[in-house]
Amino acid sequence: DIQMTQSPSSLSASVGDRVTITCQASQDIRSYLSWYQQKPGKAPELLIYDASNLERGVPSRFRGSGSGTDFTFTISSLQPEDIATYFCQQYDNVPLTFGGGTKVEIK
Amino acid sequence: QLQLQESGPGLVKPSETLSLICTVSGGSISSSTYYWGWIRQPPGKGLEWIGSIYYSGSTYYNPSLNSRVTISVDTSKNLFSLKLSSVTAADTAVYYCARGPLRGYSGYDPTYYFDYWGQGTLVTVSS
Repeated sequence: DIQMTQSPSSLSASVGDRVTITCQASQDIRSYLSWYQQKPGKAPELLIYDASNLERGVPSRFRGSGSGTDFTFTISSLQPEDIATYFCQQYDNVPLTFGGGTKVEIK
Repeated sequence: QLQLQESGPGLVKPSETLSLICTVSGGSISSSTYYWGWIRQPPGKGLEWIGSIYYSGSTYYNPSLNSRVTISVDTSKNLFSLKLSSVTAADTAVYYCARGPLRGYSGYDPTYYFDYWGQGTLVTVSS
């Protein structure tokens, strides 16, 4: 199985800050990576697919980059509604696997 | 707007079989470009892919659960189902159904992310 290692596991930032989360795959997954946002008590919502493609309707302050084994997710200007846990998922290999999540809080 | 809705018992006894249904509305489950999956999340933990099905009935399971999982589809009712046998407390989780647009192949297995999710249903395994 491909292991997805996300860091940090949690972070605290101020409104307007740039926030960066990383996801490292245990082997090359090309660009087959997605990012999700999960708010408390809610289902995950797709933000980014194919490492850098923004899902329809998702604000442009969310950005994804990377390929191979190292990926980055960025919120360019943190907003109060961005408080959530973020997960990455690889879909280069079966079984499909997810990162452990990064909980984003407001400082 | 596509919607998915999970339904089923919220409490299952140890060693019994967990059964859930995902009803799809606002779109056809028989679309050729999508797979339909189950993902679970134990309380306070991360996400685990359980398995998926294509409208034709082809199934793909996580090897970690393979021997206990059965996923089926009913295209006439636009729904798909999950059965997980011999459950233990470790199977307590929120269970989500989701749609996966085909993106590639791992050998003969299709791969995808998940673009639409159900709201999730908590299943507790306890006597």
